[in-house]
Amino acid sequence: DIQMTQSPSSLSASVGDTVTIACRTSQSISKFLNWYQQKPGKAPNLLIYAASTLQSGVPSRFRGSGSGTDFTLTISSLQPEDFATYYCQQSYNAPKTFGQGTKVEI
Amino acid sequence: QVQLQESGPGLVKPSETLSLTCFVSGDSISSDYWSWIRQPPGKGLEWIGFISYSGRTNYSPSLKSRVTMSMDTSKNQFSLKLSSLTAADTAIYYCAREVLYTGSYFGFQKWGQGTLVTVSS
Repeated sequence: DIQMTQSPSSLSASVGDTVTIACRTSQSISKFLNWYQQKPGKAPNLLIYAASTLQSGVPSRFRGSGSGTDFTLTISSLQPEDFATYYCQQSYNAPKTFGQGTKVEI
Repeated sequence: QVQLQESGPGLVKPSETLSLTCFVSGDSISSDYWSWIRQPPGKGLEWIGFISYSGRTNYSPSLKSRVTMSMDTSKNQFSLKLSSLTAADTAIYYCAREVLYTGSYFGFQKWGQGTLVTVSS
């Protein structure tokens, strides 16, 4: 199985800040990396696929980058609705594995 | 707009078998891949497996011996059975649609709202 390691596990930020979340995989996965946002009591929501492609309807302040084993999700000009938990997930092969999550708090 | 809705018991006894169904509306399940993903309360996400539009299945190795997935295209729904339950199987269970984007990239594009399953006597 491909292991996913996210960092940090949580971070505190303010509205308007820029935050960066890292995701590292245990083996190279090219660009087969997705990012999800999950709010309390809700299902995850796909933000970015193929490491850097924004899902339809996702604001442009979300940006994904990276390839191989190191990936980054950057949220610019943080908005109140962005406070949530973020997960990376590899789609390179089965079993599809997720990072442990990064909680973005005020 | 495709919608997914999980259905099943909220409480199951240890050693019993969990049966969940995901009803899909707004599109046919005769395309794409249909997955089950679970999340223990307060914890992260775990992929259980998928069933494809053609009926091909792929299960997580850690659960493979206990999982069976099936689909009913006439009812536009797919199902999960998980046997020999223990307290460690207590989780929110989500069904999700995994779509293929250009370049062979997949993503869980649409999720059900999730259903909490508690394993307890």
